[in-house]
Order: sequence, then C-alpha cells, then structure tokens
Amino acid sequence: EDQVTQSPEALRLQEGESSSLNCSYTVSGLRGLFWYRQDPGKGPEFLFTLYSAGEEKEKERLKATLTKKESFLHITAPKPEDSATYLCAVLGGSQGNLIFGKGTKLSVKP
Amino acid sequence: NAGVTQTPKFQVLKTGQSMTLQCAQDMNHEYMSWYRQDPGMGLRLIHYSVGAGITDQGEVPNGYNVSRSTTEDFPLRLLSAAPSQTSVYFCASSYSRTEAFFGQGTRLTVV
Repeated sequence: EDQVTQSPEALRLQEGESSSLNCSYTVSGLRGLFWYRQDPGKGPEFLFTLYSAGEEKEKERLKATLTKKESFLHITAPKPEDSATYLCAVLGGSQGNLIFGKGTKLSVKP
Repeated sequence: NAGVTQTPKFQVLKTGQSMTLQCAQDMNHEYMSWYRQDPGMGLRLIHYSVGAGITDQGEVPNGYNVSRSTTEDFPLRLLSAAPSQTSVYFCASSYSRTEAFFGQGTRLTVV
C-alpha cells in the first residue's frame, strides 16, 4: 500500500535551534516528492520538489534532501515566522496522484 | 494572477441539504483536484480531473460529485450533506500532477 509517514507529529524549537523533519514513504513508481508549508486557516504552499535519491533543494533556512526511502527537511537557525505545519507528499502509485502525510507542526519560540 | 480561488470560505449546512463548492484557476492548468482535510487524517483526495470533460475518483469520493466543463472551473457538489462531511475542503491545480497550487479552503460544517 502506498503510504507517507511524517515524524515527529509536533516539534517545538527555540529560535536558532536547528533540527530536521522526517518523511518516510513506500510507493510504487515514485515520480516526485514534494514539501509544502501550511499556515493556520490557509491552503498548503509549495516549497520543494525532489525527483531522485541524492537530490537536495534549498530555500532560505530550509533544505530538503531525498533518499530511496525517506526525505528530510532541515531547518537551520529557525525563526518564529517558520512556525507552520509542514506537509510531505509523494507522486506515484497506481493512480499517479499526490499522497500526503499527516504533517509536522513546527513551533519556534523566540 | 489570482491563482486558485475557492468560494465560499465558510458554510454551514443542515443534514440532507445539497450545495456546490466552487473552484476556479487562471493558470491554464489541466490537472485539478479536490481534497478534504480532517484533524489527524491529513489531506485526502476526493475527486480529480486531468482535463475538461474528464474526471475520476480519488480515495474518498462517496457523497461527492464533480464535473469539468471548462479548463478553469472544477466545482464539487455535495449531494445530501451528512455530519461526516464536516471538514475543510481544498481545491488544487497543477500543470501535470507536479507542484500543486492550492486554494484558501472552504470550511464546511454540517449540523
């Protein structure tokens, strides 16, 4: 069964305290892995696409990496404005649609 | 560009009522989809469309109907609302099932 699991469910950090979010997946025929950010009351906002193991993408304090079984979203020296829920999704499977994980809720305290 | 526009933002329905959630995009994307988001469940695909006149079911299609008469619009119809359909609904569009652009959501409560 195609599946995406994100951990931890929630993460509390102090401003400047770097950490990583995990997204592990099992899917037949991976065609891409996507990271989104979702603020309360808003729709998900696209961050990154990763297509193959070893690939990395960076944007400001965020860096996404991909292996054959999981992806990490590294957050370096986070700020309070990085507080949000981060969603991971994979494209693949029998229907070829996005399969989302349940998300990691990140809180960064000043 | 407005991106993906959903209306209404909030809606309260009585059990058994029907309604249509509207979704429009101005990016000329072929692929559009509807998701529902419930606490602890993540985003689940309801229906999707790969182009005008073509729709298909996702993971949780029961109780919902869709049609796609134009590239821009992809309305979601609730046939007979039930309390289990209380949720936040998101419409999304993308060029080819890749990076999806989401609307701001419709928060629906069925009483």
